[in-house]
Amino acid sequence: ETGVTQSPTHLIKTRGQQVTLRCSSQSGHNTVSWYQQALGQGPQFIFQYYREEENGRGNFPPRFSGLQFPNYSSELNVNALELDDSALYLCASSLTGINTEAFFGQGTRLTVV
Amino acid sequence: TQLLEQSPQFLSIQEGENLTVYCNSSSVFSSLQWYRQEPGEGPVLLVTVVTGGEVKKLKRLTFQFGDARKDSSLHITAAQPGDTGLYLCAGARGSGGSNYKLTFGKGTLLTVNP
Repeated sequence: ETGVTQSPTHLIKTRGQQVTLRCSSQSGHNTVSWYQQALGQGPQFIFQYYREEENGRGNFPPRFSGLQFPNYSSELNVNALELDDSALYLCASSLTGINTEAFFGQGTRLTVV
Repeated sequence: TQLLEQSPQFLSIQEGENLTVYCNSSSVFSSLQWYRQEPGEGPVLLVTVVTGGEVKKLKRLTFQFGDARKDSSLHITAAQPGDTGLYLCAGARGSGGSNYKLTFGKGTLLTVNP
């Protein structure tokens, strides 16, 4: 167990709706990254938060947004859901630094119908 | 766009066999990490290799980082059913500080049959 917890574990939403996914990082970790993993694919980097600021973003549209709170927990928000947004959303927490270990949560399985 | 190519994509072997999984890229990474992921779970870090040419061993698993820091391999000796899972390689890049992201390959789905 990594100490990174995500909620909810499963979620079903309708196309066009909005969703908020939550992540509690491991104690002491100040950096949170979010990844999208479609079926049969490796995780794709969405964005990273460090000290409550977005610190790097992958190739995802603006309807994917996030927040990091003073306790380093984080939220991923997706607006105007599309069918292709169906995926496992993973949160990873780490300390600052390029070669530091990232600890992943168990993920949120989002299904858009 | 996947910058890391993993091969093979699928591998089904018998218990006791040896296997090698490859991870190749045209890009240089600061480090390369190997993860194992079970169905419905997040990836779990197995090892991080940082120095070109580095070899690390974790029980029956041997990891190697290419001299040019663009490719890596994972070798499993005498595979066991408990080794079954999705093996992911991920390259880290950034300019230091907190600005780095992991670029993952598509993974190798390994099944070890009893």
